[in-house]
Amino acid sequence: KAGVTQTPRYLIKTRGQQVTLSCSPISGHRSVSWYQQTPGQGLQFLFEYFSETQRNKGNFPGRFSGRQFSNSRSEMNVSTLELGDSALYLCASSGGTGEHNEQFFGPGTRLTVL
Amino acid sequence: TQLLEQSPQFLSIQEGENLTVYCNSSSVFSSLQWYRQEPGEGPVLLVTVVTGGEVKKLKRLTFQFGDARKDSSLHITAAQPGDTGLYLCAGARGNQFYFGTGTSLTVIP
Repeated sequence: KAGVTQTPRYLIKTRGQQVTLSCSPISGHRSVSWYQQTPGQGLQFLFEYFSETQRNKGNFPGRFSGRQFSNSRSEMNVSTLELGDSALYLCASSGGTGEHNEQFFGPGTRLTVL
Repeated sequence: TQLLEQSPQFLSIQEGENLTVYCNSSSVFSSLQWYRQEPGEGPVLLVTVVTGGEVKKLKRLTFQFGDARKDSSLHITAAQPGDTGLYLCAGARGNQFYFGTGTSLTVIP
């Protein structure tokens, strides 16, 4: 079974631009979560989508948004990029139901904002 | 406020030494996962523990879930340079996951 895939792996943007990142979950998984990871803040939860609906949301500004398609693939968008948005963005998929969920991560997208 | 606190934050040891990493919380979790992450890559799931008091072994790694399901530990025996990485614990409550602050381990040959 293929793992979680994320595209692109690396991205360089300038301040004020917007960016879209993509994530394909493990086949059969309906939940996709997004995280931002920086050396100073660690792993920070952005949001989670389950069956095309945002089910949970972290404490990030509205510039960060996402969506999930009927095939469970997900995209996240960051508008009006700031220098502080430079980070590793990680996507994780899980079954999304049941008492003992497990999350599996993709390799991440390294975003650099200049 | 971080729901899960890991200690130590940084650890540098010689090859062959033993070590223990702790993951503590005041909250109860239905399950707890441990991950290892290498620079520039996504975290890789090592183990999931679900029952209070449960102990799982993965070669030289031993994972324990606290009796009250609020804390966990990871013990590595005879550490090797390949164990170097960031170790993360994550607790599950319902459909949400809460990550620890991470422990950066360096094993020196």
